[in-house]
Amino acid sequence: DTGVSQDPRHKITKRGQNVTFRCDPISEHNRLYWYRQTLGQGPEFLTYFQNEAQLEKSRLLSDRFSAERPKGSFSTLEIQRTEQGDSAMYLCASSLAPGLGARWETQYFGPGTRLLVL
Amino acid sequence: ILNVEQSPQSLHVQEGDSTNFTCSFPSSNFYALHWYRWETAKSPEALFVMTLNGDEKKKGRISATLNTKEGYSYLYIKGSQPEDSATYLCAFRGVNYNTDKLIFGTGTRLQVFP
Repeated sequence: DTGVSQDPRHKITKRGQNVTFRCDPISEHNRLYWYRQTLGQGPEFLTYFQNEAQLEKSRLLSDRFSAERPKGSFSTLEIQRTEQGDSAMYLCASSLAPGLGARWETQYFGPGTRLLVL
Repeated sequence: ILNVEQSPQSLHVQEGDSTNFTCSFPSSNFYALHWYRWETAKSPEALFVMTLNGDEKKKGRISATLNTKEGYSYLYIKGSQPEDSATYLCAFRGVNYNTDKLIFGTGTRLQVFP
């Protein structure tokens, strides 16, 4: 397994168009996260899944954003009616849920999808 | 609102210099502190996860310390090399068993000149 992959790596779109990004996590990982990084900021949490269940959504995730993980493997993030403010790097990460007695598990990141909305 | 701050914002050093960065985070409700290295056009790479006050971790020339009582962590690079050039991010995880999200700082961008 070569790690977390994301597709596409770059996307340029016009304002008002819909875009969809895909994330393939490390195969045995049951948790999957989406983060967004805008210029000059650190990555900001958007949402995460354990298996196919979406367990938490940030207030940053407006109604135009939807994320799915239908079979508990890959995930898609769709942005409808894109706005210029959506221009950012969208990062996906995966991890194992902490096992019994474990405090933490490392989140492993993909290379990101850079979105530019014109 | 939880605030994670990193300083300096950027750093330029000569090859062979040693350097260090700071990450400040809330001292209450601490659960874990993560350090990542992010090179341009690559995936952020996990360096350390630190959980206990006084923790010290080392990976090659890079080491990190943790003070949860005062809410800071230091990352040290000994004998910087050009391949160390990257953005170094720290991320805080608070005590909330219903969430697994990381709260990131804005990063320290390191450039090492040969």
